[in-house]
Amino acid sequence: GAGVSQSPRYKVTKRGQDVTLRCDPISSHATLYWYQQALGQGPEFLTYFNYEAQPDKSGLPSDRFSAERPEGSISTLTIQRTEQRDSAMYRCASGSLAGVTGELFFGEGSRLTVL
Amino acid sequence: QKEVEQNSGPLSVPEGAIASLNCTYSDRGSQSFFWYRQYSGKSPELIMSIYSNGDKEDGRFTAQLNKASQYVSLLIRDSQPSDSATYLCAVISDNYGQNFVFGPGTRLSVLP
Repeated sequence: GAGVSQSPRYKVTKRGQDVTLRCDPISSHATLYWYQQALGQGPEFLTYFNYEAQPDKSGLPSDRFSAERPEGSISTLTIQRTEQRDSAMYRCASGSLAGVTGELFFGEGSRLTVL
Repeated sequence: QKEVEQNSGPLSVPEGAIASLNCTYSDRGSQSFFWYRQYSGKSPELIMSIYSNGDKEDGRFTAQLNKASQYVSLLIRDSQPSDSATYLCAVISDNYGQNFVFGPGTRLSVLP
């Protein structure tokens, strides 16, 4: 696609429900990152993919969080048994040579509110 | 200790002045450094990258890197109200592989 697309843009859920967020990166981009961004804070790293491989998931806050990119393109971030502290903006970014050029292209984000 | 630190601001400068934004990082093995700009309610976008000690200039922007002091800065000359945004410092180090670590950001306000 022309840019990084994330859905849904807004999600309101009740505590204890599962939520899945989707990211459609720029086509042909090898690397894909997930970040969590609280209001007034910088993006906090969650995990990243090189194609379908997931070399680093050290930023995932707990085992309730998981991410997939089974075909090396679209990725999903799933939060199980959501808690109020999970409320944040979740940003996806992709890059072709991200580790070299530093250019990450961000989507518009998915704002999650857990009631 | 956070890996990347920045003053949260807000930093206020008058239009036409030089804005100076600073960033320190904890991992001495860090090799790649970036400045991203994030307008309120929008996504971050890359404005500068720097890999070697010294200065790198791009238009009104100058990035400065001092690896010995573990310090990166961004200077914005002839600041404009349209430069008002949050500026995020990002670092990649060998310890993180391709993990981009972002600082908390500095909010800049350019007053007309």
